[in-house]
Amino acid sequence: QKEVEQNSGPLSVPEGAIASLNCTYSDRVSQSFFWYRQYSGKSPELIMSIYSNGDKEDGRFTAQLNKASQYVSLLIRDSQPSDSATYLCAVTTPTGGFKTIFGAGTRLFVKA
Amino acid sequence: EAGVTQFPSHSVIEKGQTVTLRCDPISGHDNLYWYRRVMGKEIKFLLHFVKESKQDESGMPNNRFLAERTGGTYSTLKVQPAELEDSGVYFCASSVTGTYNEQFFGPGTRLTVL
Repeated sequence: QKEVEQNSGPLSVPEGAIASLNCTYSDRVSQSFFWYRQYSGKSPELIMSIYSNGDKEDGRFTAQLNKASQYVSLLIRDSQPSDSATYLCAVTTPTGGFKTIFGAGTRLFVKA
Repeated sequence: EAGVTQFPSHSVIEKGQTVTLRCDPISGHDNLYWYRRVMGKEIKFLLHFVKESKQDESGMPNNRFLAERTGGTYSTLKVQPAELEDSGVYFCASSVTGTYNEQFFGPGTRLTVL
């Protein structure tokens, strides 16, 4: 089992729709959870961080965390073609000294 | 505020040669991380500095990789001798010391070993 798992996609949604990206993690003591956006050929860009159960909203983005289910998700409302990118889920765990583990990413296509 | 910078952006070397990658973290960030992404794979942790000390180097592939952060500012990652499987994109990230560890990434160095 991978430490951080994401559906590789691609996930295709029409412009204006809600894109839902999911991530599960294996280490129950994980503490910090992040979503990064990576455009092709570019470096990861931090777009959301969440640390406690529940929802966290920032503009069109909402991160959801459920530690009991070891599940974190990212919702993108009113999706735009410019949102087309790979979304990386990252989890920081105190196991082994606060290492950050990345998922392989989900490719999102927003069709105009 | 300047972000994380990396140099060079691209490097093409032959097997057996030596390459040194440099990372300048965001000013004031004590934590510096090196990661590598091999084509088609996820970003993999290599090591973590807190100031000039290696906090965790469990992700370093083998002893051909040497990372330093003298003075606790910029860091270098040397690969000597380079092998074909070392090709990939090497990212550096930095963060402030704290509970949440929000890391900000540099643009990466694309290393190609021929």
